[in-house]
Amino acid sequence: GAVVSQHPSWVICKSGTSVKIECRSLDFQATTMFWYRQFPKQSLMLMATSNEGSKATYEQGVEKDKFLINHASLTLSTLTVTSAHPEDSSFYICSAPRASGSTDTQYFGPGTRLTVL
Amino acid sequence: GEDVEQSLFLSVREGDSSVINCTYTDSSSTYLYWYKQEPGAGLQLLTYIFSNMDMKQDQRLTVLLNKKDKHLSLRIADTQTGDSAIYFCAERGGGGYQKVTFGTGTKLQVIP
Repeated sequence: GAVVSQHPSWVICKSGTSVKIECRSLDFQATTMFWYRQFPKQSLMLMATSNEGSKATYEQGVEKDKFLINHASLTLSTLTVTSAHPEDSSFYICSAPRASGSTDTQYFGPGTRLTVL
Repeated sequence: GEDVEQSLFLSVREGDSSVINCTYTDSSSTYLYWYKQEPGAGLQLLTYIFSNMDMKQDQRLTVLLNKKDKHLSLRIADTQTGDSAIYFCAERGGGGYQKVTFGTGTKLQVIP
């Protein structure tokens, strides 16, 4: 079945540093990927839509200069948290839709837990 | 914007059936999903239903959709302790845009 991977699965960094998270679709191509953020005991909040070959679309309230998204190929999207602060600590999840016949389904990565000290 | 709501908590005894409910507001929803999230883990797709279907059954899982009332439910038959997790319903809007909106999640606790 379709698999979406994320790397790293967890990261701890110092305040002020930047962290890059990768999202890969392993056996299918994804022109669109989505980045979500999940706070403890809360639902997923869509941050942005990553579009291959063009700029990402950010949801209201998400700082595009802080959360840089690059979708350089049909199987890879990256999210860079720039100048991270403790309030950026969260669980970041990506997803990619995959069409199968007349249906499509969102497949999610396992998530990346970011802790900013 | 779109809104998806669920009750926050459900407790059932092992072997009983669990029913998790979800309501949504987007009348143009095309797909509705149920995801399972175990502690510290990512999301696992359990099942999905097209908006033009009323019911879908997949082994122990039964999804019921009332499109008129914008109500979705997930029934888990013979609930096991391994079913303890948070269950998210989600809807995908129409118009070819694949954005998915998630519910708040329902924590299912299975009592042995």
